[in-house]
Amino acid sequence: EVQLVESGGDLVQSGGSLRLSCVTSGFTFSSYEMNWVRQAPGKGLEWVSYISYTGSTIYYADSVKGRFTISRDNAKNSLYLQMNSLRGDDTGVYYCVYRRVWGQGTLVTVSS
Amino acid sequence: QSVLTQPPSVSGAPGQRVTISCTGSSSNIGAGYDVHWYQQLPGTAPKLIINGDTNRPSGVPDRFSGSKSGTSASLAITGLQAEDEADYYCQSSDSSLSGWVFGGGTKLTVL
Repeated sequence: EVQLVESGGDLVQSGGSLRLSCVTSGFTFSSYEMNWVRQAPGKGLEWVSYISYTGSTIYYADSVKGRFTISRDNAKNSLYLQMNSLRGDDTGVYYCVYRRVWGQGTLVTVSS
Repeated sequence: QSVLTQPPSVSGAPGQRVTISCTGSSSNIGAGYDVHWYQQLPGTAPKLIINGDTNRPSGVPDRFSGSKSGTSASLAITGLQAEDEADYYCQSSDSSLSGWVFGGGTKLTVL
């Protein structure tokens, strides 16, 4: 069974940093591309970032470009999202997504 | 403002049929990218219900069906049940954005 378990969400002040992690199991992590998607409270889904299976190709949404960094450790079956210069509109639940299977999400709250 | 356009809400009585539209453009749905549909119950993660325009993952009732034509796609739900009340999102890819695009979501109310 595929499992994606996100962690690292927290309450942080505007301008601060957080590192999200997603530990995976149930599939060959090193063979698949991964995505982060977020959802602001009461709002829709917003794609954040993509990483290829080797990590050599990376894309970001314009809203996070230059502030967020996606990475992966295939030896640890883990995906990461380093978030810097956090703003209020970064508040929301962040989901790790394998193909079209979603983790349970981790909540990031940015306070001013 | 979402790249894909969905109606904010739809409703229907138990047993009825409803459809949810998802309108894109020539750089996403119209370019041939697959459309996927998700169901999101309150407080939970989105769950895939239609994969690759028309395919139902294992375990999804055949009351759910998907279609695509031109720059639009649709999700149809027949024999509405109270448990179908949820938010529904369409998702595709976009050649100009190098990432996924989503519809704004449609809240389905079962009357």
